[in-house]
Amino acid sequence: GENVEQHPSTLSVQEGDSAVIKCTYSDSASNYFPWYKQELGKGPQLIIDIRSNVGEKKDQRIAVTLNKTAKHFSLHITETQPEDSAVYFCAPSSPGYSSASKIIFGSGTRLSIRP
Amino acid sequence: NAGVTQTPKFQVLKTGQSMTLQCAQDMNHNSMYWYRQDPGMGLRLIYYSASEGTTDKGEVPNGYNVSRLNKREFSLRLESAAPSQTSVYFCASSASGGQPQHFGDGTRLSIL
Repeated sequence: GENVEQHPSTLSVQEGDSAVIKCTYSDSASNYFPWYKQELGKGPQLIIDIRSNVGEKKDQRIAVTLNKTAKHFSLHITETQPEDSAVYFCAPSSPGYSSASKIIFGSGTRLSIRP
Repeated sequence: NAGVTQTPKFQVLKTGQSMTLQCAQDMNHNSMYWYRQDPGMGLRLIYYSASEGTTDKGEVPNGYNVSRLNKREFSLRLESAAPSQTSVYFCASSASGGQPQHFGDGTRLSIL
């Protein structure tokens, strides 16, 4: 089955600096690569995603890069702000009727922004 | 626009009691999911329903049953609750597999 590893597990950065979180997966059939943000007491919320025919996608201060050959994708947050403090999860998957059984979430990265 | 609604938000049970967690979505999504989240372990898939009328096991199905009541509703049942099932339970939906998932705010369940 799919093996998903997310690093680092915790990350503390100075406000205004950049943060990078990496997700490594094992299933070569994966072609959908989302990042979710979970704030305290809430459910995860999609913040950015990418599909395998694209190498990079950017949305204001956040970006996702994909290296399909090496089977990893990364979340980049620039000019970090206090509201970026949260837990971030990756969840690579593939399409198809039974694809849900292959959805494995990373163990999460707790990002803290220091003022 | 409510999105995904879970009830109840909190529940305390005694070992051996039964309980049904409710989930409803108003986005006309085909697929629905139940996850549990334990500290430091991310989210683990319990059961999912790829479309109305179908359900399948995920990574950790033991001790749970599900019902896809209609396209909107997907319930999770604990027949005989055990302390190991103390967790936060999240319901999610998506248009189909390989699409963004929309999550509810969770049910915090404690079993004594």
